Formats: sequence, C-alpha cells, structure tokens
Amino acid sequence: DAKTTQPTSMDCAEGRAANLPCNHSTISGNEYVYWYRQIHSQGPQYIIHGLKNNETNEMASLIITEDRKSSTLILPHATLRDTAVYYCIVRVADTGRRALTFGSGTRLQVQP
Amino acid sequence: DTGVSQNPRHKITKRGQNVTFRCDPISEHNRLYWYRQTLGQGPEFLTYFQNEAQLEKSRLLSDRFSAERPKGSFSTLEIQRTEQGDSAMYLCASSRTSGDSDTQYFGPGTRLTVL
Repeated sequence: DAKTTQPTSMDCAEGRAANLPCNHSTISGNEYVYWYRQIHSQGPQYIIHGLKNNETNEMASLIITEDRKSSTLILPHATLRDTAVYYCIVRVADTGRRALTFGSGTRLQVQP
Repeated sequence: DTGVSQNPRHKITKRGQNVTFRCDPISEHNRLYWYRQTLGQGPEFLTYFQNEAQLEKSRLLSDRFSAERPKGSFSTLEIQRTEQGDSAMYLCASSRTSGDSDTQYFGPGTRLTVL
C-alpha cells in the first residue's frame, strides 16, 4: 500500500471549515483513499473513502486531485467534538491483504 | 446495527497471566480484524478472519497470541504469559464483502494493562 504524509497537527476555529491535507504521491490506480478519525481513548471511526471522484457524506467531503497524488478531507463546520487524530490511509482494492496501515495522522484541535 | 462490541473494555493483569478478549462484529459482517495500538501510535494490524478462516497474521502476532473465530461470528484473542510490553489497546474491526472496498468498522477497544 502507498505511503501517506500528513501534517502532525492543525488548529481550526469552531464553526469554520477544517481542511486536512494528505499526500500520497506513490498511489496506484487501484488504491482507495480512506479517512478515519480517533477521538481520545476510543476506537477509530470511519469517515469517508474514495477512488478517483470527490465524495461527500453526512460527515465530510473528500477531494482527490486529478493526478490522485493528494487529497483533502473537509469538515464543513467544525465543532469541538471534531477534535481528534485524523488518519489518511491508502489501501489496494480487493487483494489478499486486508489490513489498514495507519500512520501517525493529523491531530486536529478545534478551538472555541 | 449495533456496531462492533468488545469485552472487557479494560483489563488489568499481572505479568505471566493469560488473558482473553472477545469481539462481536456487526451482524452479517463476514470479515473480522484485530489490531493493537500502543500509546501515541496508530493501530497496527495483528490478524484477519474471513468467516471462520484465519487468512492473514502479522509478524507482530507472536506465538503467545492466538485468535479464533470458531463459528464465523464472534472472535476471541488470547494472550498467554503476558508481558509488560503487551500493554496496549486491542481493537477489533469488522467488514462485509462489498466489491473492491470493504470498509472496516471498529469497536471501542479493550485496554490491557500488564503490571
């Protein structure tokens, strides 16, 4: 699976959009981009995933660049409850290897 | 859909004792995963089941660790002769076969402290 690079930490004001970048310059054509987050002492929570197209759900939007070498997770109106570590993960589709490889993630602090 | 559940949520044991954790996946999810997370690190993969078959094991899964999923439903993870280095959060996740991307949903974890 391709390696990802994320900033170590970010701050965001409550009510503003939080834009979390992820670099995955070695991504292959059959690799998905997944985002999870982990609030302190809880299990990781699935947010969203995509292959080529931008995706949106009730939690967030995922913007993938045309060359697929980077992506941005957007939380449109951040709240204090969005304070967490956010993980960007790249994973090959439907191979024998099913594991998710977590990096260090981005620690997002939403400020009141 | 009640989510992935794990029991116990916390376990404190003395070095050398055996411990067993249980994971109940989301109903109808045929895939089940175990991960381990130490303080300040992201989760690390341990092993994966499809139905009752254990299809992949990480090198992190030493011979003191054993996982089972006897009827393809719940799973147990046993650690024998625990060591202080086994102190970690043990996470379970489940997913359903769905095309190319089977999204994994995680439980709350079991936090193990080995004294």
